[in-house]
Amino acid sequence: DAGVTQSPTHLIKTRGQQVTLRCSPKSGHDTVSWYQQALGQGPQFIFQYYEEEERQRGNFPDRFSGHQFPNYSSELNVNALLLGDSALYLCASSGGAQDTQYFGPGTRLTVL
Amino acid sequence: QQQVKQSPQSLIVQKGGISIINCAYENTAFDYFPWYQQFPGKGPALLIAIRPDVSEKKEGRFTISFNKSAKQFSLHIMDSQPGDSATYFCAACAGNNRKLIWGLGTSLAVNP
Repeated sequence: DAGVTQSPTHLIKTRGQQVTLRCSPKSGHDTVSWYQQALGQGPQFIFQYYEEEERQRGNFPDRFSGHQFPNYSSELNVNALLLGDSALYLCASSGGAQDTQYFGPGTRLTVL
Repeated sequence: QQQVKQSPQSLIVQKGGISIINCAYENTAFDYFPWYQQFPGKGPALLIAIRPDVSEKKEGRFTISFNKSAKQFSLHIMDSQPGDSATYFCAACAGNNRKLIWGLGTSLAVNP
């Protein structure tokens, strides 16, 4: 059973560019949450998707947007990249009434 | 405002010793408290989790102690091993959306 997968593993962009990160949830899971983790910090909640809709959002600007597809996979889009967007972006999946969130390996985004 | 306060920031333990990490919270609506282990460059991995109706939960060398009245919970790692050297995060969540609120993390080093 494959766990949560994320692509790409690493990404280097320049300021002002746009980026799309992808996540495939664990088999049987229908909810995807995205987190941003700056170096040496704990993860910060960006938003959560369930039934192809954004269910809750953290304190992130509108430059951060997402999408969930019918197969429950998800994308995170960040527009107008800033240096401060450099971080590890984590995707977590959960299913049904289960509280447990399983994390993928993350995508390391570097903005130059 | 840090809703989940974690201490210590860093911890050094000798092999075979007990590692203890503490967390405190304010929001009495929190009803699920997981601990995650994270190695450098990797996503967090769930170690163990507890709900407020239980005062202690043990899984192998890992034990969560929960004090509902004090709004505190802690992770004990028995017989600590060098392979346990990682960053540990406590978290909490509440509500229908199950958004995880994270502590700032504890960097654990187990000396051989």
